[in-house]
Amino acid sequence: DAEITQSPRHKITETGRQVTLACHQTWNHNNMFWYRQDLGHGLRLIHYSYGVQDTNKGEVSDGYSVSRSNTEDLPLTLESAASSQTSVYFCASSENIGAGGYNEQFFGPGTRLTVL
Amino acid sequence: AQRVTQPEKLLSVFKGAPVELKCNYSYSGSPELFWYVQYSRQRLQLLLRHISRESIKGFTADLNKGETSFHLKKPFAQEEDSAMYYCALRNTDKLIFGTGTRLQVFP
Repeated sequence: DAEITQSPRHKITETGRQVTLACHQTWNHNNMFWYRQDLGHGLRLIHYSYGVQDTNKGEVSDGYSVSRSNTEDLPLTLESAASSQTSVYFCASSENIGAGGYNEQFFGPGTRLTVL
Repeated sequence: AQRVTQPEKLLSVFKGAPVELKCNYSYSGSPELFWYVQYSRQRLQLLLRHISRESIKGFTADLNKGETSFHLKKPFAQEEDSAMYYCALRNTDKLIFGTGTRLQVFP
């Protein structure tokens, strides 16, 4: 069955370290998204991609970067982790609207990141 | 600006009581709205979309363009409805989420 996975599921790191969170989907979706979930803020979009070699900044992109070298993966990198980046991170994917999809986003299980 | 507002952080009801989770939106165009749900220890999943006009797990939501609202309703809450609920607005291929409402249903 097609799915979307994230790794690691839990990560503790120190301030200033570089961290990469993995997201892998087997839906063959063109669209992929990264969100962070924080109490009182809901889900906020960090970065998104509409296809290979395409990346775009979301609402809260500062301190984060992504790259899209294939359809299946959109890794999220924290260049220099800060305590304000302690959060739960969700990856999602969806069909293009142009492909006739309903734009339902399918979410991964989340990664809980703690920056000490 | 495009925005989704969920005014209640927490809604607590007893089993069998009616439930209404509020959602208001701001969008300069024809909106497309969704409700997503996150049960404890599970991933976020789509509950329903307004274009389908469907009822899922007893929940319904009607788009009211005059009031710019998309409230989620259920006539009789069940304990298994306890979860985090997010209203979302489509913006091209992206979704704009509200801050979420936690629904607690007590026995």
